[in-house]
Amino acid sequence: GQQVMQIPQYQHVQEGEDFTTYCNSSTTLSNIQWYKQRPGGHPVFLIQLVKSGEVKKQKRLTFQFGEAKKNSSLHITATQTTDVGTYFCAGRNRGSTLGRLCFGRGTQLTVWP
Amino acid sequence: NAGVTQTPKFQVLKTGQSMTLQCAQDMNHEYMSWYRQDPGMGLRLIHYSVGAGITDQGEVPNGYNVSRSTTEDFPLRLLSAAPSQTSVYFCASSYSTQITDTQYFGPGTRLTVL
Repeated sequence: GQQVMQIPQYQHVQEGEDFTTYCNSSTTLSNIQWYKQRPGGHPVFLIQLVKSGEVKKQKRLTFQFGEAKKNSSLHITATQTTDVGTYFCAGRNRGSTLGRLCFGRGTQLTVWP
Repeated sequence: NAGVTQTPKFQVLKTGQSMTLQCAQDMNHEYMSWYRQDPGMGLRLIHYSVGAGITDQGEVPNGYNVSRSTTEDFPLRLLSAAPSQTSVYFCASSYSTQITDTQYFGPGTRLTVL
């Protein structure tokens, strides 16, 4: 079955440092979505990538979708304490049952002031 | 719109008890789903529904039942609670089953089974 792997599981950075989390799928994805979950909260949608090689930016966040549509990354430049939380990627197999969205295990980001 | 609501927020059960976790959405979304979140395990899909009267199993369905009699509601039933079901449960919905639709999550139910 489809698997979405995400690394690292944990990342601790000092405020101002950069942060990257990587997402890899065993199969080709139709699209990939990224979510953020603040401590004690629920996942909130950040962005979606659909096209091969797509790059999207949201202020200090840069999202990439691989050329083969099997991997993705989220990069945060100059982290701030407000970036604390767990970042999840989620994808669907190309041609799979539409209902099955597969989440990675997430990367928990801690930012020291 | 209230979005996706879940009740209760917290629940403690004894082994063997049954209960229903409620989920409702007021956005007229076709697709609804239940996830459980355990430390280091991410979000694992329990059951999902692509419309009223249609449900299907996800990755970890054992010990849980669902039904979808209306578009708005998607309750999750624990038949006989076990300590392994201690987790945070999230309900989510999306407008349709299109692959590009985003998920809207409820605030979660934190369940402890003793």
